[in-house]
Amino acid sequence: RKEVEQDPGPFNVPEGATVAFNCTYSNSASQSFFWYRQDCRKEPKLLMSVYSSGNEDGRFTAQLNRASQYISLLIRDSKLSDSATYLCVVSDDAGNMLTFGGGTRLMVKP
Amino acid sequence: ETGVTQTPRHLVMGMTNKKSLKCEQHLGHNAMYWYKQSAKKPLELMFVYNFKEQTENNSVPSRFSPECPNSSHLFLHLHTLQPEDSALYLCASGHNEQFFGPGTRLTVL
Repeated sequence: RKEVEQDPGPFNVPEGATVAFNCTYSNSASQSFFWYRQDCRKEPKLLMSVYSSGNEDGRFTAQLNRASQYISLLIRDSKLSDSATYLCVVSDDAGNMLTFGGGTRLMVKP
Repeated sequence: ETGVTQTPRHLVMGMTNKKSLKCEQHLGHNAMYWYKQSAKKPLELMFVYNFKEQTENNSVPSRFSPECPNSSHLFLHLHTLQPEDSALYLCASGHNEQFFGPGTRLTVL
């Protein structure tokens, strides 16, 4: 079983659509959770941290369900520039060991 | 834009060559990392350094040899690599929230 599992996609959506990605993780001791974004042939960049209470940053909302070991990312009003691969990441309690999911590819069409 | 730089950006080497990848961070972080990203596979953590000391070796073959002379610099020495080692090698720094360099795209012939 993969430690961090994501649907690879691609998710093809029109501009303005709302799209949601899900992620499950296997290590119940995981302490910190993140969504990273990776553009084609570029390095991953932190999009947002994910908190137990849920958090929002503009059009992006992240949620964590520790009991189900499930993380989600919701993107509202999709833009062409949102096209990228979204990586679900979990961290151990020391904060050094990041485990990455395989990523979900999003393609926003005009 | 990024506080983490990597050189070279591209590298082609034969299986008998020896080369080194360099990473430098200007963010004042005490932890640095090497990752490998192969096509269609998740990012794989290779090595972790905290305060210049190696704290994690994720079962990486000995043909990859890291070096961390100070908290700002990290090297990955390569020798007798295999074609399956061709990948994007990413350096990162930070704690929990990690900042990545642009990577070195390595091709082993």
